[in-house]
Amino acid sequence: EVQLVQSGAEVKKPGESLKISCKGSGYNSTSYWIGWVRQMPGKGLEWMGIIYPGDSDTRYSPSFQGQVTISADKSISTAYLQWSSLKASDTAMYYCVTPLSEFVGDDAFDIWGQGTMVTVSS
Amino acid sequence: DIQMTQSPSTLSASVGDRVTITCRASQSISSWLAWYQQIPGKAPILLIYKASSLESGVPSRFSGSGSGTEFTLTISSLQPDDFATYYCQQYNSYPSTFGQGTKLEIK
Repeated sequence: EVQLVQSGAEVKKPGESLKISCKGSGYNSTSYWIGWVRQMPGKGLEWMGIIYPGDSDTRYSPSFQGQVTISADKSISTAYLQWSSLKASDTAMYYCVTPLSEFVGDDAFDIWGQGTMVTVSS
Repeated sequence: DIQMTQSPSTLSASVGDRVTITCRASQSISSWLAWYQQIPGKAPILLIYKASSLESGVPSRFSGSGSGTEFTLTISSLQPDDFATYYCQQYNSYPSTFGQGTKLEIK
């Protein structure tokens, strides 16, 4: 079964750093891009960025460029989303996603992780 | 960025109704459009890709149409499980962008 399994919920204070993970299984994870989608409480979906684990080619939405870092370790089929200094406005559910097609980053997302809830509060 | 605008934002309907949700792109995206369904507390599910292709396992009462800048998602006969929020997504160019969502409520 193809699936993306994300790390667990996090509660952090403003200014702290954080790295959440997303592990792919059941498919050739080095040939599929992995993306991240944010959903703030009660709000819609926002495309943050996407990475190709094969060579770490990464694309960011301008809204998130410089605010987060997306990385991957192809040896363990895992992608990461990282913050160096969290803000209260980073409180959200974060989903990792993988596209329908191999080697294609700009695609529909047919596989979604279960989501990681990040809460930032003093 | 390409802006995606859905209408209506909220739609009230009854079981058995036929409903249509519209998504408009700020510039042409050819047929590079997907539709998702999200039930509260769950991850979204892909329904339609490439504007009109039905994802495997999705009931045939869901259909999509359109190209260029205007697209529609139609549910031919609403079932109780269909009351959810629906999102369109363009993937013609980076960054991909989503519509703001349409909440389908029980009348």
